[in-house]
Amino acid sequence: AQSVTQLGSHVSVSEGALVLLRCNYSSSVPPYLFWYVQYPNQGLQLLLKYTSAATLVKGINGFEAEFKKSETSFHLTKPSAHMSDAAEYFCAVSAKGGATNKLIFGTGTLLAVQP
Amino acid sequence: EPEVTQTPSHQVTQMGQEVILRCVPISNHLYFYWYRQILGQKVEFLVSFYNNEISEKSEIFDDQFSVERPDGSNFTLKIRSTKLEDSAMYFCASGPQGATNEKLFFGSGTQLSVL
Repeated sequence: AQSVTQLGSHVSVSEGALVLLRCNYSSSVPPYLFWYVQYPNQGLQLLLKYTSAATLVKGINGFEAEFKKSETSFHLTKPSAHMSDAAEYFCAVSAKGGATNKLIFGTGTLLAVQP
Repeated sequence: EPEVTQTPSHQVTQMGQEVILRCVPISNHLYFYWYRQILGQKVEFLVSFYNNEISEKSEIFDDQFSVERPDGSNFTLKIRSTKLEDSAMYFCASGPQGATNEKLFFGSGTQLSVL
């Protein structure tokens, strides 16, 4: 069985500050891990993914995440927040495998960026 | 960039009524999915569909739910007799042949409200 837990349903940072969104996973098999972002009135957009290559994964818009097996974590970071980063962020896990494997999502973290 | 289109963006219905949520996946994609998110809860997998049949479904996807690809372009989710607890945001996703989950494209969702 697989699951993800996102700590903090709401996170607020100042523009230019570090963004840290937390995700811990549970998986009985080697996982694929994902971060998705949802801007208002838009679909879920893939930010980045871990598929057992490099443990530090870089994504779009300056975001990155590090897979830490010992901590079962896949936290999302960005050194300097921008107003346009305000959105909801979802961590997700799936088992290694083909396209029919389902994604298991977390409850999401709503990021607010203050001027 | 190609996108998954969902209609309507909002649907209000009375309890016990049938609803059909419509999705137009990306044209050369072969894998199709429905997910839903009840307000404040996780995005949950409902069903995956490939080669004109359901490949996997969750325990949520009971006899009240059905999916169909009626004309080779649309992918629909039907709820036969809606319940209050079916109120949620429903996301459609599609993926190309041979892809793993990172190639999924999500639509912007249909907000279903059952009164």
